[in-house]
Amino acid sequence: QLQLQESGPGLVKPSETLSLTCTVSGGSISSSSYFWAWIRQPPGRGLGWIASISYSGSTYYNPSLKSRVAISVDTSKNQFSLKLSSVIAADTAVYYCARLVGSHGGLDYWGQGTLVTVSS
Amino acid sequence: QSVLTQPPSASGTPGQRVTISCSGSSSNIGSNIISWYQQLPRTAPKLLIYTNNQRPSGVPDRFSGSKSGTSASLAISGLQSEDEADYYCATWDGSLNSWVFGGGTKLTVL
Repeated sequence: QLQLQESGPGLVKPSETLSLTCTVSGGSISSSSYFWAWIRQPPGRGLGWIASISYSGSTYYNPSLKSRVAISVDTSKNQFSLKLSSVIAADTAVYYCARLVGSHGGLDYWGQGTLVTVSS
Repeated sequence: QSVLTQPPSASGTPGQRVTISCSGSSSNIGSNIISWYQQLPRTAPKLLIYTNNQRPSGVPDRFSGSKSGTSASLAISGLQSEDEADYYCATWDGSLNSWVFGGGTKLTVL
C-alpha cells in the first residue's frame, strides 16, 4: 500500500523559507505514470494546488505562487520536496503531498498533512 | 474566488439522494477530466471520483459522477450519516496552466 508522509518544521518566521519533504513508501516515485503534488489548506478554508513534478523533473506551478515556489524530486531517496520563500501569515496552512495520476488526472494517494504556521 | 463554483452547503436526510454541482468554463471542465474528493473532519482528502465518473476501488457505488459541457455533478444516493463531510471538485485549467479546485461543499446529513 502506497504511503506518503510529509515532514518539516511546523513553525516558520515571516520572510523566511518554508521547506517540506514528502517521503513515499510502498512504491517507487520513479514511474512515468504519475506526477507528485503539493496542495495546501488554510485553516477553515478550501484546498489550493501549489505545484507538481514528475520523477524526471517536469514541473507545473500555481501561477500565483510561482515566483516563490520550488518543487524538486530525489529519486534515490524516494522523496520530493517543496520550498516556499518569503512566507507571510497567509501561507499558514495544512500542507499535503499527494500522488497525481498522469499530469492532469486525479490525486489518488495523499499524505496525512502537516500544519505549518507562519509567525514570529 | 475559486475558478470552479460549488454551492457552499448541501443537506439531506438518511436514505435521500443528494447532488453537488461544480461549474466551470471551457478552459477547465469543458476540456479536461474532473475528479471529486471527500474530506471528513480533520482528515486528508480522499479521492472519490476520477476521470469524470470512475470510482476507485473501495468507494461505494452510492457515489457517482457526471460531466456535461462546462459543469459536473457528484451524486450521493442512499445518504448515510458517515457521508457528512466536505466535498471538492478539481480539474486542470488549460488557460491558467494550473490545477484548480472548487471552493468545497459542506454536506450535512440531517
